[in-house]
Amino acid sequence: RKEVEQDPGPFNVPEGATVAFNCTYSNSASQSFFWYRQDCRKEPKLLMSVYSSGNEDGRFTAQLNRASQYISLLIRDSKLSDSATYLCVVNPGSQGNLIFGKGTKLSVKP
Amino acid sequence: DVKVTQSSRYLVKRTGEKVFLECVQDMDHENMFWYRQDPGLGLRLIYFSYDVKMKEKGDIPEGYSVSREKKERFSLILESASTNQTSMYLCASSSQDRIYGYTFGSGTRLTVV
Repeated sequence: RKEVEQDPGPFNVPEGATVAFNCTYSNSASQSFFWYRQDCRKEPKLLMSVYSSGNEDGRFTAQLNRASQYISLLIRDSKLSDSATYLCVVNPGSQGNLIFGKGTKLSVKP
Repeated sequence: DVKVTQSSRYLVKRTGEKVFLECVQDMDHENMFWYRQDPGLGLRLIYFSYDVKMKEKGDIPEGYSVSREKKERFSLILESASTNQTSMYLCASSSQDRIYGYTFGSGTRLTVV
């Protein structure tokens, strides 16, 4: 099993749609989790941290299920500007550096 | 805001040249990292450093070296550039416990011809 696994997509959705991405991780001792957003030919930028059971920031909701070892990102009312690649990131804690998934590409169409 | 600054956005170098990529962060972070990113391969860790003068190999260190003489600066060196090192290079930094994730620089797109 890969350390961090994401569906690569692309997810093609119309404006206003709700879209959800899932991410699974293999290390049950992982301490904290993040979602990053990366625009084409730009650097990854932190979108949300996920520390406990989940959190919400406007149209974005991140959830964590430790028992099943997955994290999800829900985007409501999608905007054209949400088009990007979303990276799932796991912090294994004292065991090492952050582990990045390969990303899920989202394309929001008019 | 944490700032991570990479010296060049775009570089074109010839095969065999020695290439220096510089990265500076301004938030007194202990950890610094160099990644390369290629389509379909995601982020791949080249080297990292947890302290001044300290360096550790990542997943793909071959053909690269690094230098960390000061806490805020982490340099990536391509001793003899090759065409398969054409890529986007990303520097990142973080606090010791990585609790706030990494902050990335804006990247250097290197083309080796």
